[in-house]
Order: sequence, then structure tokens, then C-alpha cells
Amino acid sequence: ETGVTQTPRHLVMGMTNKKSLKCEQHLGHNAMYWYKQSAKKPLELMFVYSLEERVENNSVPSRFSPECPNSSHLFLHLHTLQPEDSALYLCASSQGILGTESTDTQYFGPGTRLTVL
Amino acid sequence: GDSVTQMEGPVTLSEEAFLTINCTYTATGYPSLFWYVQYPGEGLQLLLKATKADDKGSNKGFEATYRKETTSFHLEKGSVQVSDSAVYFCALSDRNSGYSTLTFGKGTMLLVSP
Repeated sequence: ETGVTQTPRHLVMGMTNKKSLKCEQHLGHNAMYWYKQSAKKPLELMFVYSLEERVENNSVPSRFSPECPNSSHLFLHLHTLQPEDSALYLCASSQGILGTESTDTQYFGPGTRLTVL
Repeated sequence: GDSVTQMEGPVTLSEEAFLTINCTYTATGYPSLFWYVQYPGEGLQLLLKATKADDKGSNKGFEATYRKETTSFHLEKGSVQVSDSAVYFCALSDRNSGYSTLTFGKGTMLLVSP
């Protein structure tokens, strides 16, 4: 148990569906992250939020839309996905202190296994 | 840009064998270095870390030393168990204001047989 939870753990959706992934951290951290893990590929950083402000968006298609309503919750809204978007989506959080250079440890949730039909 | 290179897997060992998984990195500045482990069907768990040159991270019998001169952070364990079967990821962390950015290797699968 890392203090980061993700729901649902498994999701199957059609290409025309709209769904959301949820992440919650119970660690009092200020930074949250979405990663994509596909078979045979390195982990890909998708989005970073620091104090609820998006600070990185690594060329992610607009069919993925993140939302960070507060420092404990992070969502990834999905719409009109493609089969190649099937992957394990991992959420992580880290301490993060604004104004301080940080190499803080990131703590990961268990992931959501997404299958797009 | 920064990069992390790990040995290709799978690594197949018998129980109680010695384990080494090689990891080298390329980075500007002075990153922190990490090993994460991923068990089947789960997310990544921090195994150990080192924040500066010559630091040794250790946990659950695993060790790795931050070697700046060889830009390496090799993972070792003296006697592996079946329960150590998992995928191991080496990573480095860049510094940013208020958050970190991890660069991962591709992962090395370890299979331990009884």
C-alpha cells in the first residue's frame, strides 16, 4: 500500500465511449502525475500537476484530458479513444515544494488496465 | 536529453543465486537515482534510491551504489527468492521547481525458479 489509490482497476470501453480514471493520494503531496505503460515500451510521462496547476503536457493527444480539482485528486478523462490507447495507466504523487528544486521520490498507484475495443 | 539503459531481460536464476541487473545513465547535472519494482498486475513500488555520488541505497536485501565516475547504478542481491520475480526499473530524477521528472529504463524482468 503506497498511499495512492486508483479506480477503476480495470476498464473496457468502446471507441465512442467517454470514461474517467480517478486517482487519489493520501500522502499530503503537492505534485501528481499520469503515466502510460504499454507493452514493450518505456513508461511515458503524460501530464504533471504541481499545486493543482498543469506544468507538463508531453504531446498527449487531446482525447486525453486531465483534471486536478485539488492536491489530493487527479482525473484522466477519456473520449473517442483508439485501440492503441490500450495500456496500463499509472498515477503517481510526490512531495514537491514550490520554489525548491526537487528530485522527490514519486509514489505510484496500482494502475488502471484500460482496453479499448 | 537524459536517458537510462538497462540490461535486456529476462534474467532467469535459481533460488539463492546472486543477482546483478546493470543500469547506466546519461544526464546533465546531478540527478537522483532509483530502482522501482513491478510485480504482476501491480503498479511500481520504490525499491531503493540514492541522491548523490557514492551513496548506497538498500532495501529488502537489494543494494545499489551511485557511481558517478562510471554513470552506473547496478542493482544487486546476494540470494534471490522466488518472490523476487518481477520487473525492475532503473530511473533518474531531474530537478524542477515543485516537482520531479523521472526518466525510466525499459525494465528488466527477473524470473526466479525454486
